Amino acid sequence: GDSVTQMEGPVTLSEEAFLTINCTYTATGYPSLFWYVQYPGEGLQLLLKATKADDKGSNKGFEATYRKETTSFHLEKGSVQVSDSAVYFCALSRNQAGTALIFGKGTTLSVSS
Amino acid sequence: DVKVTQSSRYLVKRTGEKVFLECVQDMDHENMFWYRQDPGLGLRLIYFSYDVKMKEKGDIPEGYSVSREKKERFSLILESASTNQTSMYLCASTGTDTLRDTQYFGPGTRLTVL
Repeated sequence: GDSVTQMEGPVTLSEEAFLTINCTYTATGYPSLFWYVQYPGEGLQLLLKATKADDKGSNKGFEATYRKETTSFHLEKGSVQVSDSAVYFCALSRNQAGTALIFGKGTTLSVSS
Repeated sequence: DVKVTQSSRYLVKRTGEKVFLECVQDMDHENMFWYRQDPGLGLRLIYFSYDVKMKEKGDIPEGYSVSREKKERFSLILESASTNQTSMYLCASTGTDTLRDTQYFGPGTRLTVL
């Protein structure tokens, strides 16, 4: 069945470091891909998304490109800030109308000053 | 802005109690979802609803039921709470195009069953 695999954390970085969080997926059809972020004590919020191959989603300095050939959707940011400390979830839409997202297990990012 | 609200941020119940978790969205979304979030397991789908009075089981429906009497409200029910249902519960909603539309999440309810 469809699935999402993302790198395990925690990821610990210094401020202004480069961030990559790997995400690969297995899916039938043509899912949309999402990155959600969960700040401490809060629910999930959409960070960015891409709905077809070669699309690049971007928001708040984060980017991810939908790579169908490598079934990947890696999250990157050129210079992280302390405020980026959160849990990041990669997700894909199931290939059936009316159904939910499939999430990876989440990657905790901790940024120190 | 879309707003999804959940009735409680924190809840403590005893084993065997009946527990109701309420979720309300204000964007006239057709689709609503209940997930539970556990460390190391990510989010897992419990139930979802694509219309009033319609419901579908997700990946882990055992021990849970749901109710959707009005479009804006989706309730999760633990008929007889057990300690292994201690978790964070997240409600979400989305519009018609579930393949592309963003899911909007509530702040979550952290349930502890003693």
